[in-house]
Amino acid sequence: KNQVEQSPQSLIILEGKNCTLQCNYTVSPFSNLRWYKQDTGRGPVSLTIMTFSENTKSNGRYTATLDADTKQSSLHITASQLSDSASYICVVSPGVGSGTYKYIFGTGTRLKVLA
Amino acid sequence: EAGVAQSPRYKIIEKRQSVAFWCNPISGHATLYWYQQILGQGPKLLIQFQNNGVVDDSQLPKDRFSAERLKGVDSTLKIQPAKLEDSAVYLCASSPRLAGHSYEQYFGPGTRLTVT
Repeated sequence: KNQVEQSPQSLIILEGKNCTLQCNYTVSPFSNLRWYKQDTGRGPVSLTIMTFSENTKSNGRYTATLDADTKQSSLHITASQLSDSASYICVVSPGVGSGTYKYIFGTGTRLKVLA
Repeated sequence: EAGVAQSPRYKIIEKRQSVAFWCNPISGHATLYWYQQILGQGPKLLIQFQNNGVVDDSQLPKDRFSAERLKGVDSTLKIQPAKLEDSAVYLCASSPRLAGHSYEQYFGPGTRLTVT
């Protein structure tokens, strides 16, 4: 079954600290993996996108890594800011032969950055 | 480039009432999605359109939910009658093509529905 699981469910850190969010998936084969940031009351906004052949992608203080062999991805946030408080959602886009064309969403990690 | 537009942003109704949501995707995007996002969960696909045709509506509660995309542009999602468990954020998204390709999926701001 095509699934995307994220951990932790929620996380609280102090401003300026780093943190890492995890995403494990069973979708195979897959076309690409995205990390989205969703502020409260807003729609998700794409942070990074990686194909199966890429193992790292950065967007400012956000760095995503991908291990296609172990089917794991992580999102590392450096020097966190109050504005990083949001939900972070991992989304896998299936490839041809996976049995589905739907985007597979994780349940997200809710991050709270405290001053 | 203008983003995905949705209206209304908020709606409060009583159970058994009807409600409709509207979405205007990014110009030229062939694929349109409606998602339901319950608090604390990831978005759940309700229906997916390719132009004005339905690609997938397997998770749409068809006894009460309906959606259309006339002329392959704007779309409306209707709930009739609403239940308490329909309280959620309804997100509309669009992309140039179907999933499975390296095409970005752009989300609107969502409509927060509260059923009392």
